Amino acid sequence: KNEVEQSPQNLTAQEGEFITINCSYSVGISALHWLQQHPGGGIVSLFMLSSGKKKHGRLIATINIQEKHSSLHITASHPRDSAVYICAVRRGGGADGLTFGKGTHLIIQP
Amino acid sequence: EAQVTQNPRYLITVTGKKLTVTCSQNMNHEYMSWYRQDPGLGLRQIYYSMNVEVTDKGDVPEGYKVSRKEKRNFPLILESPSPNQTSLYFCASSLWRGTPYEQYFGPGTRLTVT
Repeated sequence: KNEVEQSPQNLTAQEGEFITINCSYSVGISALHWLQQHPGGGIVSLFMLSSGKKKHGRLIATINIQEKHSSLHITASHPRDSAVYICAVRRGGGADGLTFGKGTHLIIQP
Repeated sequence: EAQVTQNPRYLITVTGKKLTVTCSQNMNHEYMSWYRQDPGLGLRQIYYSMNVEVTDKGDVPEGYKVSRKEKRNFPLILESPSPNQTSLYFCASSLWRGTPYEQYFGPGTRLTVT
């Protein structure tokens, strides 16, 4: 079993829909990252969370440390949101590397 | 402009021929890292560095070497490349405040080993 699991693997939605992507992890962590990979391959960091909730424009990220779960929400989705969304965790206990989920491929249709 | 640069962007080479992929950042970041991305496996960390002369293994370090002699540069060395190292490689950097902060990624290097 992977340490970081994302769901769904693939998601197709209509423009304007509210999108939720989930990330569950099985290890203790000190921080969680959400990344966006564009169709051209470039990767952009969206959020880094260690607790609570963060918002940037139409994107909202939440984390529940006790339940080992994070969600990424997109409000009023748009075709330009089509991308792969990747969750990554920094393990606790002094380890400083990052472990990644396999990504959620999101397509927003006009 | 704040950026992470990688060179080359594309490389086709043969088994056993040593190669180096360079990575440079202009943001004075302490943390730098190399990742490889493979279909079905996602991103995996190869090596990372928290500062000059401080490096550590990620999840898939076998067959790779790194060095951090200067803060801005973090080259990835494949001393004897093999076909299973054919992959898309990303370098990234971030601030380090007890944990890696927002990661800035390079554009990627697509490596093919025949």
